[in-house]
Amino acid sequence: QQKVQQSPESLIVPEGGMASLNCTFSDRNSQYFWWYRQHSGEGPKALMSIFSNGDKKEGRFTAHLNKASLYVSLHIKDSQPSDSALYFCAVSMDSNYQLIWGSGTKLIIKP
Amino acid sequence: NSKVIQTPRYLVKGQGQKAKMRCIPEKGHPVVFWYQQNKNNEFKFLINFQNQEVLQQIDMTEKRFSAECPSNSPCSLEIQSSEAGDSALYLCASRPPGWEVFFGKGTRLTVV
Repeated sequence: QQKVQQSPESLIVPEGGMASLNCTFSDRNSQYFWWYRQHSGEGPKALMSIFSNGDKKEGRFTAHLNKASLYVSLHIKDSQPSDSALYFCAVSMDSNYQLIWGSGTKLIIKP
Repeated sequence: NSKVIQTPRYLVKGQGQKAKMRCIPEKGHPVVFWYQQNKNNEFKFLINFQNQEVLQQIDMTEKRFSAECPSNSPCSLEIQSSEAGDSALYLCASRPPGWEVFFGKGTRLTVV
């Protein structure tokens, strides 16, 4: 059964700094990877998707995928207080499969 | 911004009572999901639908959970005979043709 694990559990980064979030998965047949962000009292919102090995950059956010190493990461540059939230890595096998979620990283950006 | 509407936002039930929550997916989104997020922020997939038909569901062995997604009506998730362990945030999400899943704000169920 697919296992998705995230680290660290929580992370404090100064405003303007770089936040790095890690995610490992166990099933080599995993195809699609997302990073979701959830602010308190809200549902999760997709930040980025990555489907191919390598880096994908969208504004201040960069996702990195290495399927052979069963690893995906998210880096947030120039962190803002509004980036403080729970971040989840989610993995699926194909378009009809449900998302398998990591346990989340609580990110706190200190002004 | 997500237009998935979930009601009610908060639901308090006594043990053994029925709990029902509703979801209006975004227009044009044929796939609807229900997830349970517990107090440790862990997600559990419950069921998904495509055009009112069940695609996948967990083995609801306790048979206390039921869900439907009729055409021209809100989707719903119902828990027969609520238990304390059912206290959680219940998230509905919908997906258009494509990959991104859009979530509602959830229904927070507290079973007292």
